[in-house]
Amino acid sequence: EAGVAQSPRYKIIEKRQSVAFWCNPISGHATLYWYQQILGQGPKLLIQFQNNGVVDDSQLPKDRFSAERLKGVDSTLKIQPAKLEDSAVYLCASSLKGGTGWVGNEKLFFGSGTQLSVL
Amino acid sequence: AQSVAQPEDQVNVAEGNPLTVKCTYSVSGNPYLFWYVQYPNRGLQFLLKYITGDNLVKGSYGFEAEFNKSQTSFHLKKPSALVSDSALYFCAVSEAYNTDKLIFGTGTRLQVFP
Repeated sequence: EAGVAQSPRYKIIEKRQSVAFWCNPISGHATLYWYQQILGQGPKLLIQFQNNGVVDDSQLPKDRFSAERLKGVDSTLKIQPAKLEDSAVYLCASSLKGGTGWVGNEKLFFGSGTQLSVL
Repeated sequence: AQSVAQPEDQVNVAEGNPLTVKCTYSVSGNPYLFWYVQYPNRGLQFLLKYITGDNLVKGSYGFEAEFNKSQTSFHLKKPSALVSDSALYFCAVSEAYNTDKLIFGTGTRLQVFP
């Protein structure tokens, strides 16, 4: 079974520039999550999609962050403009929740993440 | 608001010895508790979860965790550590009404020495 795919693996940009991250979840997984993991901290949920709808974006800094999952499969997270404090690893995860075969309390499958450095 | 505390930044243990990685939680209702492990340059991997039932939960790679409601703890344990267990371990909690919203602890780095 293929895992959650993310690209790019690393990204270095200057502050005020824009950046985009891509995620392709495991096939059949209806729910997709974007997490931000700052060095020394645990992952923090930014946004959760079920199919192509947003379930929770309460912790997404909407003045600069945006995310979409137009066809209910892969997703893009964008930062525009980036700030120094956005330096982090951005993790994408998926789960079966809301899809065929979901039985509740499903575990999350994480991608390897995109490490962003803002200079 | 729910929260998770992992009081140790790092745990060192000799190979073959038992290991414990500590976690305490705070939720308003019944907790759903999870352990995830992160190897270098890899995403987080699910180890085990507690939803209800037996307080001792068994998971992947020989790990287990004990749910203690009176102490609000969910410590991760393994009877005999392996060098390959060296990684970053995260405890997470969600509330029963919203099992999707995981709150992660800050992580504990486990170092197993040969």
